[in-house]
Order: sequence, then structure tokens, then C-alpha cells
Amino acid sequence: AQKVTQAQTEISVVEKEDVTLDCVYETRDTTYYLFWYKQPPSGELVFLIRRNSFDEQNEISGRYSWNFQKSTSSFNFTITASQVVDSAVYFCALSDITIYNQGGKLIFGQGTELSVKP
Amino acid sequence: EAGVVQSPRYKIIEKKQPVAFWCNPISGHNTLYWYLQNLGQGPELLIRYENEEAVDDSQLPKDRFSAERLKGVDSTLKIQPAELGDSAVYLCASSREWSTGELFFGEGSRLTVL
Repeated sequence: AQKVTQAQTEISVVEKEDVTLDCVYETRDTTYYLFWYKQPPSGELVFLIRRNSFDEQNEISGRYSWNFQKSTSSFNFTITASQVVDSAVYFCALSDITIYNQGGKLIFGQGTELSVKP
Repeated sequence: EAGVVQSPRYKIIEKKQPVAFWCNPISGHNTLYWYLQNLGQGPELLIRYENEEAVDDSQLPKDRFSAERLKGVDSTLKIQPAELGDSAVYLCASSREWSTGELFFGEGSRLTVL
């Protein structure tokens, strides 16, 4: 069965600190996608990144970076020089794309609530 | 471009009462999803539509939940009768294609059952 684990329930940092959010996943599929979504206090989840299982190259987007390691089934997310506006709940998710009617079904982790204090 | 619109944002009802949630997806998005999010948890898929066809409703408790997407645009999710355990946030999302996983979410409808 597919599963996503975000062991950190809450993280609190001071502005300008770097912070890493951990994500570990389980799947028997060889082809899959991994995602990160951000949920600010307003409630709507916002897509941040998608990674397919064949691409282990790390990615950087501004202050955000992602480290995908298939060997450890991890897809960690780092925010560099955190800001108060980064405060939100962050979800890691997994999608199986091998079966047509199952594709697009995102399996979410429990989320990590990040609090950045000024 | 307007985002996914949901209503109502908040709803408080007594148990055994019916309730309905409405969702208007982003224009041109063929795929529509209803997710359930319990407090402190990640969203869980209830149902996914491709146009007007429900292609994945395996997680929808069909004894009390129903959904429809007439004309492949707006969608309604209904609970009848509501139970205390149904208190949660009901999220609607849409995407251009089911396969990308890039979903656009609404702000959700928070249901409280007393």
C-alpha cells in the first residue's frame, strides 16, 4: 500500500533560519510522482512542486529546494532564510500513475505545521 | 483567472440533518476532486470526476454521501443524514488533466455537526 509519513508534526523557527521538512514514502510502484503542497491559514492548498520517480536531480526554486533520494524513499523540502510568510502547513504527497483510473489520486502525509517567528 | 470557488465556507448543523456543498472549478479544468480533511490530517480523496463521469468514488461512503457533476462543470457534494464524525473540512480541487497531480484547491467548506 502507498503511504506518506511526515514525522515532524510541528516545527518552530526564527526568521532567517533554514528549515528542512522531512518526507518518507512507501510504494511498490516503479513509476510515481511526489509532490509538496502548502496550506496557509486561509485553507486552500497550493501546489509547490512535482517530481517523477525517474528524476532524482535536486531542484532549487528561490529559497525553496527539494532533495529526492530514492535509496531512502525520501523527498525532503528545505526553506532557506525562512520568512514569517512561510508559516503554513506543508504536505508531502504521492501519486500512482500506472493505473489509469487510479492516477491522479494523491496520497497525502499528515502535514508539518511550520511556524516562523519574527 | 478565477480560482476554485466553494460554498458555504462554514456550516453548522445538528446530527441527522442534511447538508450540501457546492464547488465551481477553474474554467477549462475537466477533472474535479472532492477531498475530506480531518483536523490535523492530510486530505483524503472522496471522489474524482473526469468531466461528468465519476471515475474514482471508492472512498465515498455511499450510504450517506452522494455527489454529482452535472454538465461537467459545477459539482455538489451532499451528506444525508450527517453524523458527528462528519465534522471536517471538505475541499474541492480541479486540474486540467488527472495525470499531472497539479491540483488547484478551493478554500474548503468547514462542517461542524452538533
